[in-house]
Amino acid sequence: GAVVSQHPSRVICKSGTSVKIECRSLDFQATTMFWYRQFPKQSLMLMATSNEGSKATYEQGVEKDKFLINHASLTLSTLTVTSAHPEDSSFYICSARNPGTEAFFGQGTRLTVV
Amino acid sequence: GIQVEQSPPDLILQEGANSTLRCNFSDSVNNLQWFHQNPWGQLINLFYIPSGTKQNGRLSATTVATERYSLLYISSSQTTDSGVYFCALLGSYGGATNKLIFGTGTLLAVQP
Repeated sequence: GAVVSQHPSRVICKSGTSVKIECRSLDFQATTMFWYRQFPKQSLMLMATSNEGSKATYEQGVEKDKFLINHASLTLSTLTVTSAHPEDSSFYICSARNPGTEAFFGQGTRLTVV
Repeated sequence: GIQVEQSPPDLILQEGANSTLRCNFSDSVNNLQWFHQNPWGQLINLFYIPSGTKQNGRLSATTVATERYSLLYISSSQTTDSGVYFCALLGSYGGATNKLIFGTGTLLAVQP
């Protein structure tokens, strides 16, 4: 299957700082990328859907000014958590797909805000 | 919004046993995928199955879109099958197109 690489896999940051997470499709060009958040023992919650060259579509309740998503190319999307707080600590996962095909997922990023 | 319920929520099996996991959904779908999430959080693609039946080794899946459910069969289970199994639906929900929504998950533990 296709490969999606997410970086970093783990990050610890201080409260009030910003953290950027990268999601790259390594062997295919992805028109659509999804960003998810997962709390322990829970399912994946869709945060936003981004299409290359367009603004991301955020799910209800997700602050677009706090979770900045950029999908600048067909192989790269970034999620920036701005002014992070301890309640932002979570497991963040990205996914990439093209129309008519299945979605593939990155390895996830475990964010801890201290 | 669309509801995606999986059952059972938890399942404990002895090695070698068979099991059926179910995914019920409340709206029409463009497509459906099954994933296995390993202990490190990585989601592994199992099936991409909008309808019909597919098989891959000890695993098979069936989706009946008209009745809004999908089944994942695991035969001769092994300890390495342990983890969380998710179904995820691709469709147009909440005014947006092509959203991939995850089910509630089934936590499987296979004991030796």
